[in-house]
Amino acid sequence: AQKVTQAQTEISVVEKEDVTLDCVYETRDTTYYLFWYKQPPSGELVFLIRRNSFDEQNEISGRYSWNFQKSTSSFNFTITASQVVDSAVYFCALSEARRDDKIIFGKGTRLHILP
Amino acid sequence: DGGITQSPKYLFRKEGQNVTLSCEQNLNHDAMYWYRQDPGQGLRLIYYSQIVNDFQKGDIAEGYSVSREKKESFPLTVTSAQKNPTAFYLCASSITGINEKLFFGSGTQLSVL
Repeated sequence: AQKVTQAQTEISVVEKEDVTLDCVYETRDTTYYLFWYKQPPSGELVFLIRRNSFDEQNEISGRYSWNFQKSTSSFNFTITASQVVDSAVYFCALSEARRDDKIIFGKGTRLHILP
Repeated sequence: DGGITQSPKYLFRKEGQNVTLSCEQNLNHDAMYWYRQDPGQGLRLIYYSQIVNDFQKGDIAEGYSVSREKKESFPLTVTSAQKNPTAFYLCASSITGINEKLFFGSGTQLSVL
């Protein structure tokens, strides 16, 4: 069965600190995709990254980085030198290549960056 | 600018009333989706459509209906059969399918009077 767990419901850090958001997933498929989305207070979800199951290379985009480890079924997201604008709800999500209808979202982690 | 437009931003429903949420996209995407978001919850799929004049139920379709008469438009009707409609509704699209990046609208907050 598909499942995405974001165990951290809410995190608060002081600006300029690094913060890691955890995501653990379950799937029986060998081909799948993992995503991270950001939901700022405006409400619209913004795509951050898509990773397929065959690409375990870590990715860095500016202050954002992602660590994909199939051995632990995790796809964690780190923000380096956090800024107030990073305050948002972050969702991890999973879709399976054999299915064309379902993407499973985690419940999200609300991140507060304190000035 | 290309994107997804949802309207209205806020909507109030009286008991027994049907209401329709609008979703329009000018991205030329084939696939469109409706999600429901409740506080502290992830997104749950209501309906999706991968092609004009065709759509499928998602996980929580009861009490909702949709149409896809045009590629650009995917309106969602919340019927009186939906007993707990208060939620944030998000429309999304992708080029062809669910394994791709989703583009989201800014959402509609529906509340019951």
